[in-house]
This record gives sequence, structure tokens and C-alpha cells, in this order.
Amino acid sequence: GQNIDQPTEMTATEGAIVQINCTYQTSGFNGLFWYQQHAGEAPTFLSYNVLDGLEEKGRFSSFLSRSKGYSYLLLKELQMKDSASYLCAVMDSNYQLIWGAGTKLIIKP
Amino acid sequence: GAVVSQHPSRVICKSGTSVKIECRSLDFQATTMFWYRQFPKQSLMLMATSNEGSKATYEQGVEKDKFLINHASLTLSTLTVTSAHPEDSSFYICSARSAGGEADTQYFGPGTRLTVL
Repeated sequence: GQNIDQPTEMTATEGAIVQINCTYQTSGFNGLFWYQQHAGEAPTFLSYNVLDGLEEKGRFSSFLSRSKGYSYLLLKELQMKDSASYLCAVMDSNYQLIWGAGTKLIIKP
Repeated sequence: GAVVSQHPSRVICKSGTSVKIECRSLDFQATTMFWYRQFPKQSLMLMATSNEGSKATYEQGVEKDKFLINHASLTLSTLTVTSAHPEDSSFYICSARSAGGEADTQYFGPGTRLTVL
């Protein structure tokens, strides 16, 4: 079956760096997405990786290794507003999104 | 984990026809379901929130007479795009929140790709 795994919850300190991992097993691969979702709001697009390597976008970076079925989202210089759920989603060979359960990130002062 | 399904996964229709998309929670009861639109590499845009047995709440700018939502049971919500036009072509995603679930926990469906010719 198809499966996306990411940690349920992580805690980090303001100003620090945190890495949220995502591993996947899907039938085919047409890209991996990371979204940020604050409670009660719609998910906000953060990144899209389809080729191996690191994509940097400001304080956020996303890495993909297709051979390992692995991605991570790296958040630098953490701010309190980064407290949110982070969703990993993979688009399979049928262009369907397979969603992870989300990682709740708690930022402490 | 909780599973949400959508049917159909993709649909192609002629302009002017109506299309119904189903969203089902397979192993839990969903008191609240959300419908989103997504354009390529963009954030999900919330269209409406539906609670079982009551009328859906639509976001500003979403025509409720064009996008009909019915949440008839605790496991099924439907979105009907009436008189679809090419600009309605998009990826429609539903999500569900379980009864008694945390306010910030949603389970997302795989999406339905609608193409209107």
C-alpha cells in the first residue's frame, strides 16, 4: 500500500533550527509537497520537490532523495509564528495526492 | 491512520454540464468536512466548510449556487459543480475532521482533477 510517515509532534526553541522528516512509499512519484497549516486555516504551500537535492527558499529548505523515498523540511531561525502543523504529501503516478498525517511543531521561547 | 477517499479521481466534462465529486471518510465519522481548490504549486484555497446535517459555510467569493455541497451523513460529503466552465478546471481536495477530534487535525483526500472542455 501507499504510505507517508512523518513524526507526530516536534518541539524546538525560538531562533533554533528544526528538521522535519518525511518518508514515503507510493506507487509512482510525481513530486513531493510540503505545506504549513495553522489551526483553523487552509494549508499554505511551502515547497515542491521533484528532483533530488536541496531547494532553499528563505528560512525554509526542502530536501528530496527519490532513491531513499525520503524528504525533509528544514526551518532555520525559528520564530514563534512557525508553530503550526507541517504536512508532507506525495503525488503518485495517477497524480493523486497521498498525505502524511502532519507534524505538529511547537516553538518555545 | 484515518483514511479519506474521493471519487472520481479525475473527470473530464463538456462546458455546461454538472459534475459531482464525493468525499468519504472510510474509518471514522466526520462531523466536519472541508472542500478546497488547488492550482499548480499553490496553496489550498478553502471553498467551504460543511457540517453534517446543516448548510455549508462558503468562503467569500465562492458561489454557493454554483458549488453545491451536501453533507448528508457522517461519512459522506458531495460537491457538485453546476454548469461547469473551463475556468472551473482545477484540483479539488476534501478533508475531514473526526467527531471529537482536535480542531487542528484534518485528514485529506487524494483529490479530484476536473477538466472542463
